[in-house]
Amino acid sequence: DSGVTQTPKHLITATGQRVTLRCSPRSGDLSVYWYQQSLDQGLQFLIQYYNGEERAKGNILERFSAQQFPDLHSELNLSSLELGDSALYFCASSVESGGAGEQFFGPGTRLTVL
Amino acid sequence: GNSVTQMEGPVTLSEEAFLTINCTYTATGYPSLFWYVQYPGEGLQLLLKATKADDKGSNKGFEATYRKETTSFHLEKGSVQVSDSAVYFCALRSGKFYFGSGTKLNVKP
Repeated sequence: DSGVTQTPKHLITATGQRVTLRCSPRSGDLSVYWYQQSLDQGLQFLIQYYNGEERAKGNILERFSAQQFPDLHSELNLSSLELGDSALYFCASSVESGGAGEQFFGPGTRLTVL
Repeated sequence: GNSVTQMEGPVTLSEEAFLTINCTYTATGYPSLFWYVQYPGEGLQLLLKATKADDKGSNKGFEATYRKETTSFHLEKGSVQVSDSAVYFCALRSGKFYFGSGTKLNVKP
């Protein structure tokens, strides 16, 4: 158990809908990262937050947004969903924003768009 | 810029065979290097890491040595088991994190 929690575990929805994925980092970790993992692709970095502020942006679509709250949990919002958004979404956390330490990954949320 | 390149899979081995998964990197500065493992249906778990040149990371029989001269961090295991079947990701951290595309390992009994 990495200490990173994600809810829900599975999510099935329809095209055009909006969903929210939630992540709680390990106790003491200030950085949260979001990744998308599709069947035919590797791990795609979406976005990073550090202590409530956006720190880095990757290949995140404009239909997607995220935020990190004062209690450090984070939410990833996906809107106007398309079939191609079906994927595993992982959250990871680390103590600091820079540095040399590792990330700790949550179990993921499997999103299916029908 | 920073990037990680690892060998494409899938890699299929028989039980007790020797494993090597190649990983090379491009980075500015002095990155930390990691191997993560993803078992079916699960998230990524840290397998081992090395934070400076010539460091050797090891865990569960897996090893990787940080080679600055060849910019490599190849993963090795002397005798694989069926339970090692998973996807292996090489990654570096130079401020930000950069992941390779993953190598799927299938170990047959």
